[in-house]
Amino acid sequence: DAGITQSPRHKVTETGTPVTLRCHQTENHRYMYWYRQDPGHGLRLIHYSYGVKDTDKGEVSDGYSVSRSKTEDFLLTLESATSSQTSVYFCAISVQGRNTEAFFGQGTRLTVV
Amino acid sequence: QKEVEQDPGPLSVPEGAIVSLNCTYSNSAFQYFMWYRQYSRKGPELLMYTYSSGNKEDGRFTAQVDKSSKYISLFIRDSQPSDSATYLCAMSASGGGADGLTFGKGTHLIIQP
Repeated sequence: DAGITQSPRHKVTETGTPVTLRCHQTENHRYMYWYRQDPGHGLRLIHYSYGVKDTDKGEVSDGYSVSRSKTEDFLLTLESATSSQTSVYFCAISVQGRNTEAFFGQGTRLTVV
Repeated sequence: QKEVEQDPGPLSVPEGAIVSLNCTYSNSAFQYFMWYRQYSRKGPELLMYTYSSGNKEDGRFTAQVDKSSKYISLFIRDSQPSDSATYLCAMSASGGGADGLTFGKGTHLIIQP
């Protein structure tokens, strides 16, 4: 699992509430990513980070924010969850900055009701 | 038109058969091509990657890239029931960490014992 832990693994939340998902890695990789996976869309990049306090937007960043205050932790926040954000969220790291060696966590299944 | 097209299947074949999985893409800037395997309710697992055109072999798996046709393939020889999973192709232009991966939607493969 490349030392990646996502928490929580499952969450049900109500529309309009804030939600934070956590990704923790144990190997000090510089690059970390958040993807979402939806039927009919595949995996899509939300945000990524290239170092502490260094983040950038991906393809589907609207409604999401991220923070990285420590190398090992990358947080994804839904400020006000909507039903369209019901999805499976995956954190990933890339080894030595090469996205040809990107490894994924086990995912967080989020349901917004 | 999506950047990466992949038939979602399901593709059902008998044990021992040779499996061919394919993706087409439209962005000629893609140079790095990855294949991931994803079991149900698990994170994607990197199988192999290929740079530019050509073949790469790893055990029972062979990845093939034809950049002139914008077509990539993954062949699985002597298929086993444990190969039953969803196979995702992914691509990037630079291979660098700041270049997020573009995924196909995945092909659901079933190997019948």
